[in-house]
Amino acid sequence: GAVVSQHPSWVICKSGTSVKIECRSLDFQATTMFWYRQFPKQSLMLMATSNEGSKATYEQGVEKDKFLINHASLTLSTLTVTSAHPEDSSFYICSAPLVGGEKLFFGSGTQLSVL
Amino acid sequence: AQKVTQAQTEISVVEKEDVTLDCVYETRDTTYYLFWYKQPPSGELVFLIRRNSFDEQNEISGRYSWNFQKSTSSFNFTITASQVVDSAVYFCALMLGGSGYALNFGKGTSLLVTP
Repeated sequence: GAVVSQHPSWVICKSGTSVKIECRSLDFQATTMFWYRQFPKQSLMLMATSNEGSKATYEQGVEKDKFLINHASLTLSTLTVTSAHPEDSSFYICSAPLVGGEKLFFGSGTQLSVL
Repeated sequence: AQKVTQAQTEISVVEKEDVTLDCVYETRDTTYYLFWYKQPPSGELVFLIRRNSFDEQNEISGRYSWNFQKSTSSFNFTITASQVVDSAVYFCALMLGGSGYALNFGKGTSLLVTP
């Protein structure tokens, strides 16, 4: 079945550095992908919608200059956390819908820890 | 506005007990989809069920069953004869028909099944 691959699974970085997270649809094309953030023991909150070939749409309160999203191909979306700080430490997870939205596939998530 | 409420934050049961996880949703849209996901400690999201607003049939899958009632805007999830492996956080989520496939998650219910 369709799979969404997300890398890395976990990353530890120093404050002030940038971290890139990849979300790849393995056997289907995804013109849209979604990025969610989950703080410990919290729900998943939609951060942004990644659109292939156009600018991402960010949810209210999400800094677009801090969370850079690039969706340059039909199978790959990347989320770059720029100048990461400890408060950015969180679980980030992407999802991609199959055509028609009949199915949604989630990546396995990325645990980001900023020291 | 759309909203998903999972009033039960944590539930603890003894193995073999039945347990029901509650989910109440709010939306003014007539076309929407409801989901349940399981999130084990590893963090990945495991898809359990998707139900559209026009299909109020209850569903049973093995030990799992779902009760969708539009009259009370509820989509409750029951695990029969619970097992230790059922321990996880369970999320109910709502997708609007015109939302582009983004999910609005409830806060989740943490289920602990003890031997």
